[in-house]
Amino acid sequence: KAGVTQTPRYLIKTRGQQVTLSCSPISGHRSVSWYQQTPGQGLQFLFEYFSETQRNKGNFPGRFSGRQFSNSRSEMNVSTLELGDSALYLCASSLARGLAGVNYEQYFGPGTRLTVT
Amino acid sequence: GEDVEQSLFLSVREGDSSVINCTYTDSSSTYLYWYKQEPGAGLQLLTYIFSNMDMKQDQRLTVLLNKKDKHLSLRIADTQTGDSAIYFCAERPDNAGNMLTFGGGTRLMVKP
Repeated sequence: KAGVTQTPRYLIKTRGQQVTLSCSPISGHRSVSWYQQTPGQGLQFLFEYFSETQRNKGNFPGRFSGRQFSNSRSEMNVSTLELGDSALYLCASSLARGLAGVNYEQYFGPGTRLTVT
Repeated sequence: GEDVEQSLFLSVREGDSSVINCTYTDSSSTYLYWYKQEPGAGLQLLTYIFSNMDMKQDQRLTVLLNKKDKHLSLRIADTQTGDSAIYFCAERPDNAGNMLTFGGGTRLMVKP
């Protein structure tokens, strides 16, 4: 079974531009979550999508947005890029949404390394 | 709010046991996880434990949970050079879907 794939793997953008990152979950998985990883802030939750709806959102400005398609593939978009947006963006897929007392293992992709100059 | 803390660095000799510690704060978290990240890679799920368990063993990995003290540890037996990586613990609060709150990571260095 193929794992989580993310494209592109590396990206260089200029301040003020916008960027779209893509995540294809493991076949059959319907939940996709996004995380930002930086040396200073560590791993921070961006948002979670399930059944094409955003279910949860982290503490990020509105410049960060996302969506999920009917085939569960997800994209995230960052508009008006800032230098501080340089990070590794990780996507995780899961069979379904975790509930109290119910666990669905989450599997991460290799990430997209975004550099903003 | 949630906060997960880990020590930054651990160095061990090959063949020794490694113990990585973590403290968390959200008492509603019923599942706690350990992930491994190698250079240039994403996160690999190693194991997880349900909060009504004290211990879980999976081959060379042993997870211990002290729910009263909100302390989690990962023991790696017979540590190998291939175990050198950054290890993250994470909690999943019950009311937050699949959102994980991660610790800052512990860099494990295994010396031959």
